[in-house]
Amino acid sequence: GQQLNQSPQSMFIQEGEDVSMNCTSSSIFNTWLWYKQDPGEGPVLLIALYKAGELTSNGRLTAQFGITRKDSFLNISASIPSDVGIYFCAGPNQGGKLIFGQGTELSVKP
Amino acid sequence: EAQVTQNPRYLITVTGKKLTVTCSQNMNHEYMSWYRQDPGLGLRQIYYSMNVEVTDKGDVPEGYKVSRKEKRNFPLILESPSPNQTSLYFCASSWGQGAPEAFFGQGTRLTVV
Repeated sequence: GQQLNQSPQSMFIQEGEDVSMNCTSSSIFNTWLWYKQDPGEGPVLLIALYKAGELTSNGRLTAQFGITRKDSFLNISASIPSDVGIYFCAGPNQGGKLIFGQGTELSVKP
Repeated sequence: EAQVTQNPRYLITVTGKKLTVTCSQNMNHEYMSWYRQDPGLGLRQIYYSMNVEVTDKGDVPEGYKVSRKEKRNFPLILESPSPNQTSLYFCASSWGQGAPEAFFGQGTRLTVV
C-alpha cells in the first residue's frame, strides 16, 4: 500500500538554528499534512497543503507541497525549546484513509 | 472545548486479562479511529468507524476489537492482551474519512507484562 517515508528520523539542534525535514512517497498524494506531537500528548495538525507547489506558512513553520505530488517539506526557522517533539507527515491514501510517516523527532538544545 | 478524551492515560496489566480503553469525542464527528504508536513505526491504524454501527479493520487489527454503539464513543477492547500489544494508543476523530484534520486524544500508554 501507499507509504510515507520521513527523514531524518531524529535531529539534535541548537536553539536558534533552522530545521528542515521531508516526507516522500512512491505514489501521488493529493493532500499533505504536517502534525506535531508534543511530549506526552497526541498529535496536533500544524499545516495542511492541498495543491502541488503550494507553499504555506504558520508562524515560523513553512511547508511545501512538492511539484511531483510525491513529497513535502517542512521548515522551522529560528528554533526554540518548545519546538521539541515528533513531527509527522500524513496524507489520505487512495481509499481516503489517513496514513502517517514514521515521524521526525526533534530535540532543541537551549 | 472541542476534544477527544481517552481513559485511562496509563495502564499496566497482565497477559490475558481483558481490558477496555475508552474514547469519547464532543464534536459530533462521524469518523473515529484507533492508532498505536511504536518507535520507528509512526502511527498505525488499528480500527476505524465511519459512523454508528459501522466499523472496519485498519492496518494492524489483530488482537483488538472495537464497537460504535453511539456516535461519541469508540472503545478499544483487548480481549486477551499480550506483551506485543505494549504500546502508546491514540484515539482520533474527524468529520469524515477523507477529512484532513484528525483530532487526537492524549494517548493511553499500555504495558502488558
